[in-house]
Amino acid sequence: NAGVTQTPKFQVLKTGQSMTLQCAQDMNHNSMYWYRQDPGMGLRLIYYSASEGTTDKGEVPNGYNVSRLNKREFSLRLESAAPSQTSVYFCASSSSWTATNSPLHFGNGTRLTVT
Amino acid sequence: AQSVSQHNHHVILSEAASLELGCNYSYGGTVNLFWYVQYPGQHLQLLLKYFSGDPLVKGIKGFEAEFIKSKFSFNLRKPSVQWSDTAEYFCAVNARNAGNMLTFGGGTRLMVKP
Repeated sequence: NAGVTQTPKFQVLKTGQSMTLQCAQDMNHNSMYWYRQDPGMGLRLIYYSASEGTTDKGEVPNGYNVSRLNKREFSLRLESAAPSQTSVYFCASSSSWTATNSPLHFGNGTRLTVT
Repeated sequence: AQSVSQHNHHVILSEAASLELGCNYSYGGTVNLFWYVQYPGQHLQLLLKYFSGDPLVKGIKGFEAEFIKSKFSFNLRKPSVQWSDTAEYFCAVNARNAGNMLTFGGGTRLMVKP
């Protein structure tokens, strides 16, 4: 029972490089989310997808793009990485169309360092 | 905009001590409230939630939280902690009209000494 799988687990980028963080869930969940976690700041929502085919900005979307490839997969892309994007990134999913009616299921996170 | 404050960033307790972690939010309307926990090396998971009804909610592993609307608080409690409760705890709030915007607090790292 894999749940929410994120790849890669760790990544080091140089300023200006691009990369895509992958997320897949095998629970047939409707909504998916990308959060970043910074020390003392909790988790902040970057983008979410309430259902297949839709995406919406969260609290801190600048510098990121997302794609809801299908119901299972939700990727996060950094087009031109900046040191301020050094963080731990979490993907999450929920069976409902919102983050509140049913619990969020989180992946194990991707630790990204931008030098 | 809603915000969530967890004033205790680090808490160290001995086993069997009682625990109370503070959570305050700034939103005047109707809210849904959550506590999530992240054990070392594991992903975040839901501990308990409050939507409506009895303001004292019970979660997994003996945790409970009390919603006090007048104080905009949703504090987490456990009468007697165990070493296995060592984790980071996050309070989260969703305003009923905010859709998917679940706002997390900064987290509290709890260390329980055996």
